Amino acid sequence: EIVLTQSPGTLSLSPGDRATLSCRASQSVSSSFLAWYQQKPGQAPRLLIYGASSRATGIPDRFSGSGSGTDFTLTISRLEPEDFAVYYCQQYYSSPLTFGGGTKVEIK
Amino acid sequence: QVQLVQSGAEVKKPGSSVKVSCKTAGGTFGNYVISWVRQAPGQGPEWMGAIVPMLRTTNYAQKFQGSVIISTDESTSTVYMEVTSLRSEDTALYYCARQITVSRAVIPGNDGFDVWGQGTLITVSS
Repeated sequence: EIVLTQSPGTLSLSPGDRATLSCRASQSVSSSFLAWYQQKPGQAPRLLIYGASSRATGIPDRFSGSGSGTDFTLTISRLEPEDFAVYYCQQYYSSPLTFGGGTKVEIK
Repeated sequence: QVQLVQSGAEVKKPGSSVKVSCKTAGGTFGNYVISWVRQAPGQGPEWMGAIVPMLRTTNYAQKFQGSVIISTDESTSTVYMEVTSLRSEDTALYYCARQITVSRAVIPGNDGFDVWGQGTLITVSS
């Protein structure tokens, strides 16, 4: 099983700040099969990034993904008020599909 | 626009079973995988298993092998997930989610989970 470790657990930032979220895999993940999701309270996760760096339909360009192998990054260039949420990475290459433990981006 | 519409919340006794439905509204199964993901209170998502409805092929996380059954009814564009031998630890929000599969394999699918159901709360309590 591929274990995904996200850091930090919580990120305290202000609107307009840049957010950098990390996802580290216990073994190499083909970058074609790494996704990022945003989840707000009471809502289902929302796909932001797939294939490590491709934005999903309707996702603003302030969200970007990068990385390969075992280290992946989600960057939010300038935080908007609606971006404060929990973010999860996911690998969908091998069974069982796994999610990271999440990073909460909170208002400082 | 395709939506996944799930059945309503349920309260179950320990040891019983529950069957949750996920209906594709506004589209067909096509070349898609439907996965089931659960999320316990305050926890991250946990993938349970998936099915390619067109082929009825399935893949389960080892943790859920034998206790979870995923099936499909093409005539109603509905996918089902049955969880047997429920325990209090199974109390969670259960989601279905859609993913494209270019190769028609359950795993790997492509492009992440782009459409999610609204979630079904299953509470297991005596």
